[in-house]
Amino acid sequence: AQKVTQAQTEISVVEKEDVTLDCVYETRDTTYYLFWYKQPPSGELVFLIRRNSFDEQNEISGRYSWNFQKSTSSFNFTITASQVVDSAVYFCALSGTGNQFYFGTGTSLTVIP
Amino acid sequence: GAVVSQHPSWVICKSGTSVKIECRSLDFQATTMFWYRQFPKQSLMLMATSNEGSKATYEQGVEKDKFLINHASLTLSTLTVTSAHPEDSSFYICSANRLAGGRTFDNEQFFGPGTRLTVL
Repeated sequence: AQKVTQAQTEISVVEKEDVTLDCVYETRDTTYYLFWYKQPPSGELVFLIRRNSFDEQNEISGRYSWNFQKSTSSFNFTITASQVVDSAVYFCALSGTGNQFYFGTGTSLTVIP
Repeated sequence: GAVVSQHPSWVICKSGTSVKIECRSLDFQATTMFWYRQFPKQSLMLMATSNEGSKATYEQGVEKDKFLINHASLTLSTLTVTSAHPEDSSFYICSANRLAGGRTFDNEQFFGPGTRLTVL
């Protein structure tokens, strides 16, 4: 079974604080892909990152960084020095064989100025 | 590149009417498109998988006679909500797999901006 768990429903941080959004996944596929999307109030999904199961290297893109650990089936997302514009709902997603996407329940991030 | 559009972006209709939502891949071909539904403060739930030239595959619990899907070309899929009721009010999002060089790039979906449906 494919499943993505985002245990944090809502997070509030003060601007400039760092924040980590957790994502834990379940899959029996040996080849799979993990994603993070940002959904601002407008509703449009904004693609942030895609990682395949064979690449466990952490990635940094500006203030964003991702920590992928197969040993714990986690793909956590950290925003450094958060800004008000980071306020949104963030979804972690999994795709394996069959190319269907399985989304987590999302984490609503509020950055307080 | 890899842009997916949806039309309309929002629609308000009366209960009992039908509403058609279009999903287009603007700069690529897509053999497979997906339709999701998202209720307020909830996650995206896959409704159906639409394959060009064949019948859509619906997820469990989704009424295929209520949510008609047509994928008549490699760049267009439509979702028709028939006899809409207030409980159908939701945010509908489509996505598409890119077909290039005769190969479908699985695990690489491009999402449309969504259509907000309100049924009065």
